[in-house]
Amino acid sequence: GAGVSQTPSNKVTEKGKYVELRCDPISGHTALYWYRQSLGQGPEFLIYFQGTGAADDSGLPNDRFFAVRPEGSVSTLKIQRTERGDSAVYLCASSPVGASRQFFGPGTRLTVL
Amino acid sequence: DAKTTQPNSMESNEEEPVHLPCNHSTISGTDYIHWYRQLPSQGPEYVIHGLTSNVNNRMASLAIAEDRKSSTLILHRATLRDAAVYYCSRLNAGGTSYGKLTFGQGTILTVHP
Repeated sequence: GAGVSQTPSNKVTEKGKYVELRCDPISGHTALYWYRQSLGQGPEFLIYFQGTGAADDSGLPNDRFFAVRPEGSVSTLKIQRTERGDSAVYLCASSPVGASRQFFGPGTRLTVL
Repeated sequence: DAKTTQPNSMESNEEEPVHLPCNHSTISGTDYIHWYRQLPSQGPEYVIHGLTSNVNNRMASLAIAEDRKSSTLILHRATLRDAAVYYCSRLNAGGTSYGKLTFGQGTILTVHP
């Protein structure tokens, strides 16, 4: 079956611009997670959705980062006024319920020039 | 935030067993131990998880210390396809961070033919 998909696979933007990263979870998975991975590091948690609501957004680094999941399926991570330090691979994962094994997408590599 | 610690790298020969250690001395009683592995330019892939008892699946075995302060991922016969970065992580199964994975730095496993 189809796994988690993320678009775009690569995004290059200029400092100060706005970007949106999209995640399509596995159909029927109620839990959706966003992580950020810098080069040579393990993924770091950003936000967790259970259905349409953000159950835990404690990992979002500041108010330039925002994520939505309006219909409980597709999610969009939004970054305003991008900075060079935002450059990383942004990973999305989903799971059938919370606190179970997570299925990761291939990630979106964001480069801020 | 409690962390997991792993060796930066390990090496093995093909067809030999590999034991990948992880220290999680500050793990809470409700945290599960999850292992994921990651190939270049891919998202992490689930390997195995456990809470207190040792676990086996078709990919690997997980040995958890009685005090839960450490665990070991065991690949019984390493193949070239097992070469990857292996992440030991905690999955929070209680409280406000329910479902959140906290990854370690990862161990780069090299398998020699």
